[in-house]
Amino acid sequence: DSGVTQTPKHLITATGQRVTLRCSPRSGDLSVYWYQQSLDQGLQFLIQYYNGEERAKGNILERFSAQQFPDLHSELNLSSLELGDSALYFCASSLGPSGGRETQYFGPGTRLLVL
Amino acid sequence: AQSVTQPDIHITVSEGASLELRCNYSYGATPYLFWYVQSPGQGLQLLLKYFSGDTLVQGIKGFEAEFKRSQSSFNLRKPSVHWSDAAEYFCAVGGIGNEKLTFGTGTRLTIIP
Repeated sequence: DSGVTQTPKHLITATGQRVTLRCSPRSGDLSVYWYQQSLDQGLQFLIQYYNGEERAKGNILERFSAQQFPDLHSELNLSSLELGDSALYFCASSLGPSGGRETQYFGPGTRLLVL
Repeated sequence: AQSVTQPDIHITVSEGASLELRCNYSYGATPYLFWYVQSPGQGLQLLLKYFSGDTLVQGIKGFEAEFKRSQSSFNLRKPSVHWSDAAEYFCAVGGIGNEKLTFGTGTRLTIIP
């Protein structure tokens, strides 16, 4: 158990809908990362927050947004869902920026199925 | 742009045999390299990481990896695999001031008795 929790574990929804994925980082961690794992794209970095502020952005679609709240939990919002958004979404956390040397601890993921 | 290539999609080895998983990276500066393992239905767990210094790094579960700058490689090894090592293994690259990890496509490891 990494100490990172993600809810829900599974989510089934329809095209065009909007969903929210939630992540609670390990106690004491200030950085949260979101990744998408799909069969065709592999594991891709989406976005990183550090202490409530966006720190780095990857291949995140405009239909997707995220935020980190004062209690450090994070939410990833996916809207206007398409079939291709079906994937496993991971959250990871780390203590904070250490010049790239920080270990990222991954949660168990949320499996999203868009029908 | 940074990238990672794991040329072996699937590897099958016998229990007790040695293992080597290949990883090649492309990074414009000094790379930070990581190996993660993903068991079915689980998140990713860090096996080991390399930042600098000794090019042979030891990790958890008896794994080790060797950084070879001249070959842009960071191959993962284990002298004797156990059935519990069956999983998917991911190599990743980051760098100085760069927390965005770029992952390879993964290698699925199957262990046969």
